[in-house]
Amino acid sequence: GDSVTQMEGPVTLSEEAFLTINCTYTATGYPSLFWYVQYPGEGLQLLLKATKADDKGSNKGFEATYRKETTSFHLEKGSVQVSDSAVYFCALSGSQGNLIFGKGTKLSVKP
Amino acid sequence: EAQVTQNPRYLITVTGKKLTVTCSQNMNHEYMSWYRQDPGLGLRQIYYSMNVEVTDKGDVPEGYKVSRKEKRNFPLILESPSPNQTSLYFCASSSRSGTDTQYFGPGTRLTVL
Repeated sequence: GDSVTQMEGPVTLSEEAFLTINCTYTATGYPSLFWYVQYPGEGLQLLLKATKADDKGSNKGFEATYRKETTSFHLEKGSVQVSDSAVYFCALSGSQGNLIFGKGTKLSVKP
Repeated sequence: EAQVTQNPRYLITVTGKKLTVTCSQNMNHEYMSWYRQDPGLGLRQIYYSMNVEVTDKGDVPEGYKVSRKEKRNFPLILESPSPNQTSLYFCASSSRSGTDTQYFGPGTRLTVL
């Protein structure tokens, strides 16, 4: 069945470092891909999405490109801030009309 | 303000005592769902609803019930809670389907003793 695998955390970076969080997926058909972010004590919120191959989603300095050939949707940011500390979830639109989430990657950014 | 609200935010209860967690959205969304979040397991869908009076099981429905009598409300019912239902619960809604952008509530942390 459909599934999402993302790198395990926690990931600890210094402010202004480069961030990559890997995400790969297994799916039938052509799913939409998402990154959601969960700040401490809050619910998830959409960070970015891509609906077809080679699309690039971007928001708040974060980017991810839908790579069909490698079934990947890695999240990147060129210079992280302390305020980016959160848990990041990769997700895909499942064949049954639902969202399937990865297990989440906790990011901590130190000043 | 467009939002999904859940109540209560925190709940400690005992095994077997029926409880209801409420969820309400003010965005006129058709699709609503419940998730539980557990360390190392990510988010797993419990139940979802495509519209009023239409509900279906997600990945982990055992021990839970839901109802959708009005478009805005989607309560989660635990008729006989057990300790393995201790978790963080999120309600979410989206415009038409589960593949649209989902809007999440703030979460309900449930502890079953």
